[in-house]
Amino acid sequence: QVQLQQWGAGLLKPSGTLSLTCAVYGGSFTDYYWSWIRQPPGKGLEWIAEIHHTGFTNYNPSLKSRVTISQDTPKKQVSLHLSSVTAADTAVYYCARVVVLVDYTSGWFGSSGTIDLWGHGTMVTVS
Amino acid sequence: QAVLSQPSSLSASPGASASLTCTLRSGINVDTQTIYWYQQKPGSPPQYLLRYSSDSDKQQGSGVPSRFSGSKDASANAGILLISGLQSEDEADYYCLIWHSTAWVFGGGTKLTVL
Repeated sequence: QVQLQQWGAGLLKPSGTLSLTCAVYGGSFTDYYWSWIRQPPGKGLEWIAEIHHTGFTNYNPSLKSRVTISQDTPKKQVSLHLSSVTAADTAVYYCARVVVLVDYTSGWFGSSGTIDLWGHGTMVTVS
Repeated sequence: QAVLSQPSSLSASPGASASLTCTLRSGINVDTQTIYWYQQKPGSPPQYLLRYSSDSDKQQGSGVPSRFSGSKDASANAGILLISGLQSEDEADYYCLIWHSTAWVFGGGTKLTVL
């Protein structure tokens, strides 16, 4: 059974850098995109960024200047770094697996909106 | 104006149907969009329900009951999640998701109460 195990510091001071890592156990790493999504307490979901093992990335424009998403294919890990954090970055951060769309005729591929596996979430508090 | 707008709450009775709307901002044409829907219960990550582009291009999530279905209302420029035969276990938050410009965007979510 595929599992996503995520970890990172749960308490940060303002202006610090959030660092989270997500490891994939029991399944393919290269067949999917990998996303980070967050949810402030009592609020809705916010998509942060995604990455493919080929290096293709997409970022939320509102966070792009502060976010870096990276991946380590041999380790089957995805990492998120968010710099200059404030209280507004306090949230549960989820790692998630995203189904890839493929056009076999053209060779094009990209992420879909089908997030079929979620990590357990990591609560990060900035205070 | 937000890219996606969802009513913050909706109430319906057991056995009835609930229609959850996801309205796209003016200038974003629902006809060209694929709308994804997620359900989230307290304390758990969201779960994928379905995606809907058209009646000929749609997908149900694995294990998702057929009581959940998607559609579009072009006149309202909105995606719709219809839940029929409401059950108490359907009480949850529901989010829509689309690809806009260069990023994925979630709607603000609708809290569905079944009472």
